[in-house]
Amino acid sequence: QKEVEQNSGPLSVPEGAIASLNCTYSDRVSQSFFWYRQYSGKSPELIMSIYSNGDKEDGRFTAQLNKASQYVSLLIRDSQPSDSATYLCAARRKDSNYQLIWGAGTKLIIKP
Amino acid sequence: NAGVTQTPKFQVLKTGQSMTLQCAQDMNHNSMYWYRQDPGMGLRLIYYSASEGTTDKGEVPNGYNVSRLNKREFSLRLESAAPSQTSVYFCASEQGGETQYFGPGTRLLVL
Repeated sequence: QKEVEQNSGPLSVPEGAIASLNCTYSDRVSQSFFWYRQYSGKSPELIMSIYSNGDKEDGRFTAQLNKASQYVSLLIRDSQPSDSATYLCAARRKDSNYQLIWGAGTKLIIKP
Repeated sequence: NAGVTQTPKFQVLKTGQSMTLQCAQDMNHNSMYWYRQDPGMGLRLIYYSASEGTTDKGEVPNGYNVSRLNKREFSLRLESAAPSQTSVYFCASEQGGETQYFGPGTRLLVL
């Protein structure tokens, strides 16, 4: 099993709907998770971090962490065409305070 | 406040040539990182520097060397470029286990 896994997509969602992005992880990562957004040809930028079981909301974005099932998800409400990007899930390695392990990313397309 | 800067933006090399990618941050961060990003593979860590004066290997260090010149600057050197090193290279910095901030990237093509 890869340490951090994401469905590569593309995930196509109508404008105004909820986009749901998922990430599963192995026992080799710690409980610090990050969602980054990367527009084509640009560098990744942080959307949200989550460290505790449950939900964390920031505007239209909600991150959810389920430690028992070892998955973390990102919900985007009222999806906009500007949300079309690749979303990268990352987790801190258990044996390192510095290293992040990255999923391959899910490409999200919001259709007007 | 420029954040993280990288030079050059684009580079074409011939097999066997050498080059150094430069990275600088003005956020007074202790930790700096070099990643490569290939299609379908996400970001892979090449080397990192937890603090000034230290460097450590990541998951794909072969063919690369790094120098943490001072707190601001962290360079990546390819001594003898190979076509397998064609990639997009990102530098990032971080303070205290929080957000990693990325530079704009260097697109490298090795022929």
